[in-house]
Parts: sequence; structure tokens; C-alpha cells
Amino acid sequence: AQKITQTQPGMFVQEKEAVTLDCTYDTSDPSYGLFWYKQPSSGEMIFLIYQGSYDQQNATEGRYSLNFQKARKSANLVISASQLGDSAMYFCAMREGSWGKFQFGAGTQVVVTP
Amino acid sequence: EAGVTQFPSHSVIEKGQTVTLRCDPISGHDNLYWYRRVMGKEIKFLLHFVKESKQDESGMPNNRFLAERTGGTYSTLKVQPAELEDSGVYFCASSQYSGTGEGSGANVLTFGAGSRLTVL
Repeated sequence: AQKITQTQPGMFVQEKEAVTLDCTYDTSDPSYGLFWYKQPSSGEMIFLIYQGSYDQQNATEGRYSLNFQKARKSANLVISASQLGDSAMYFCAMREGSWGKFQFGAGTQVVVTP
Repeated sequence: EAGVTQFPSHSVIEKGQTVTLRCDPISGHDNLYWYRRVMGKEIKFLLHFVKESKQDESGMPNNRFLAERTGGTYSTLKVQPAELEDSGVYFCASSQYSGTGEGSGANVLTFGAGSRLTVL
């Protein structure tokens, strides 16, 4: 069964605007971690932000913030003030419990336009 | 510190041939993972090493795939014989240790640049 769902295959966003990438997850484990990674055209996977299931506050890292709604099982990524360099594929991922098997969503392709 | 290194970056082989992919994790990282992304699809888990032991190999597609991690350092993923459907990008990732406690740095997977495999 699909554990991580990213419903937006692709998005266009104008430079300097904010964009929200959706991610919902499915788990019965009370302890889990949620992650977002960015994959530019060069291919490498770049870690952006992390949210633990017990974290009380939403995670933020510079222009990235994670809108964590535990009851709805959603972990949307918000990129503020988009830049051309933000154009990339974005993956949401989850790790359940204490062992490190990460599960990824299908990804969302973001294109930032001038 | 040096990141996760994967070799080769791209390999083109014919169906039936053998290919070996190598991953050097970040020094000191006990956890090493292999993932695969087939064109346009999600990133699929293959297996997870803790030091030299296979912690979880539930994602290995079949017995044509063999992964090893010598002495808990680098890892190799061998595909023998390769089939057309094996084409994709193989990612290796490492992390220091598992857990979902405080401190995101310990939980983060650091990925290599990937090894693109093309089977003709």
C-alpha cells in the first residue's frame, strides 16, 4: 500500500511567489519522521527539511517550512519567495519507527518561471 | 566531510550482462541504503545495511540482485544477469544512526548522486 502520496505531478510558480507542495502519509506507528528532498536536474538528492512526529512546532529551514497537520496526516512543504534555482523535483519521504527504511512519494516537479 | 560517493555515474550494458555498482558512504555512517528510481516512477527502497549486516532486504526485486557491504564500509550492488526492466537510477544513501528522537541531523539520509543504469 502506498504510504506517501504526492498528488501534484507538476506545478508552475512565478518567481518570488510562494508555493505549497502537498504530501499525505499513512502510518499507524506513533513514532515517525517526515522529510523533504529536492532533486534538481543534475540528479543529486538534497535534504531540505525534517519533521518528527512528536515535534510540537512546524519545522522551518530558511525559505522552507513544513506545514505539519498530524490529525490529517499531511506534511506539506511551503517554499516562500521562489527562485529560479528552486526548479526541481521534490520528494516527500517518511520513516516509521526506529529503523531507517525511508519511503518516498512519487514526487512533484516544480518549474519556477521569471 | 566527503559525501556519499557512487560509481559509475552511468553504465550502459546489454541484456544478460553483469554490472556492479559501488557506494562509499560517509565515514562513520553505520546505515547504508540502496534505492532505485525507474523513469518517472517513485523512488523504491531496495535494502538497508547496518554496518555489514543486512537489516532489511525486502525491496530487492529478485535473486539477480546481490548486495554486499564489506567490513561495514563500502557497498556493492551487483545485477546479474541484467534485464531491460533493471534500467533506472540507483541511489545509495547513508545515515549515522536510526531513531526518531530529537535532533534531525542524526536522522537525515545523505544521498549519493546516483548511478544511472541503462540496459539495452
